[in-house]
Amino acid sequence: KAGVTQTPRYLIKTRGQQVTLSCSPISGHRSVSWYQQTPGQGLQFLFEYFSETQRNKGNFPGRFSGRQFSNSRSEMNVSTLELGDSALYLCASSPSRGQGDTQYFGPGTRLTVL
Amino acid sequence: GEDVEQSLFLSVREGDSSVINCTYTDSSSTYLYWYKQEPGAGLQLLTYIFSNMDMKQDQRLTVLLNKKDKHLSLRIADTQTGDSAIYFCAESPSSGYSTLTFGKGTMLLVSP
Repeated sequence: KAGVTQTPRYLIKTRGQQVTLSCSPISGHRSVSWYQQTPGQGLQFLFEYFSETQRNKGNFPGRFSGRQFSNSRSEMNVSTLELGDSALYLCASSPSRGQGDTQYFGPGTRLTVL
Repeated sequence: GEDVEQSLFLSVREGDSSVINCTYTDSSSTYLYWYKQEPGAGLQLLTYIFSNMDMKQDQRLTVLLNKKDKHLSLRIADTQTGDSAIYFCAESPSSGYSTLTFGKGTMLLVSP
């Protein structure tokens, strides 16, 4: 099976712009989670989608949003970019059989905000 | 709240064993995970342990869980230079489904 894929791998944006990142889960996986990784804060959970519905949300401002499509692919959007949004954004998919579901991560999208 | 802590850095010589430690706070965590991250890459799942287990061995990897002390460790036998990476401990909290809480990561440096 192909792994989790994320596009694009690298992005450079300027403050105030918006950005959309894409994630394709492992075939058959129904849950997609997003994480932000920064040197200062480490890995932080953004949100999780299952069957096109947001099931969990982390402690991030409303500028961060996402969605999931019927084929389980997911996108996350960040509006009005700030310098502090520069990070590695990681997507993970899981079969979603319940608590403790093993998550498999993609290579990430490196976002730089200038 | 939920919190996972790890030491930040470990340096070993090639061929030695490495032991990376982690403590967590959510006593109802069902699964605990170890992930590996190489420079510029995503997270690679190494192994996981279910909370009703004390130990799990997978080739060169041994995971020990002390549920009473909420302490998890990852032992890498015969450490190689290719094992140099950041290792993350993560717990699956009882409050959420596919949500992981990660430690800050332990950088393992293996010297020849």
